[in-house]
Amino acid sequence: GQSLEQPSEVTAVEGAIVQINCTYQTSGFYGLSWYQQHDGGAPTFLSYNALDGLEETGRFSSFLSRSDSYGYLLLQELQMKDSASYFCAAYSGNTGKLIFGQGTTLQVKP
Amino acid sequence: EAGVVQSPRYKIIEKKQPVAFWCNPISGHNTLYWYLQNLGQGPELLIRYENEEAVDDSQLPKDRFSAERLKGVDSTLKIQPAELGDSAVYLCASSLRGSGEQFFGPGTRLTVL
Repeated sequence: GQSLEQPSEVTAVEGAIVQINCTYQTSGFYGLSWYQQHDGGAPTFLSYNALDGLEETGRFSSFLSRSDSYGYLLLQELQMKDSASYFCAAYSGNTGKLIFGQGTTLQVKP
Repeated sequence: EAGVVQSPRYKIIEKKQPVAFWCNPISGHNTLYWYLQNLGQGPELLIRYENEEAVDDSQLPKDRFSAERLKGVDSTLKIQPAELGDSAVYLCASSLRGSGEQFFGPGTRLTVL
């Protein structure tokens, strides 16, 4: 089957760094996406990794290791507004399908 | 540039009633997706369109759900009749082509009583 595993909850303090891990098992894997979703809001695209390595976009970075079927989202200099749910999603180019994980709820405390 | 537009934002109906959701994707985006999201879970794909063609509807419960994308732009998702278990958020997304980068609308929160 196709599945993604990520922690259900993470808590960190303002200004800290947090890493949200994601392991996947999907057929026809092309790349790993990350989305942010605030309560009651729409999922918002953060990043997409098709190649191994680290991609940096401002305070957020995303990493992929295809050999380990593993990726992570790194959030630096945490702000209160970063409190949200974060989803990893595996993209299959064969099917054009994006399979989402169950999401990680990040709570940033003062 | 306008984002993905969905309406209504909220809908409350009684079971066995029909309901329809509308989506207007980002201009120029050929690929349109309908997802279902239950509380505390990730979005699950219901159907994917490439232009006006439904290329993946394997997860759409076809006994009660239907969708259309006339002229390859706007799309409508219908449920008839609705069941209690259909209560969820229905998200529409679009992309230039099949992609890991998709743009989501605000969703329609459906409550079936």
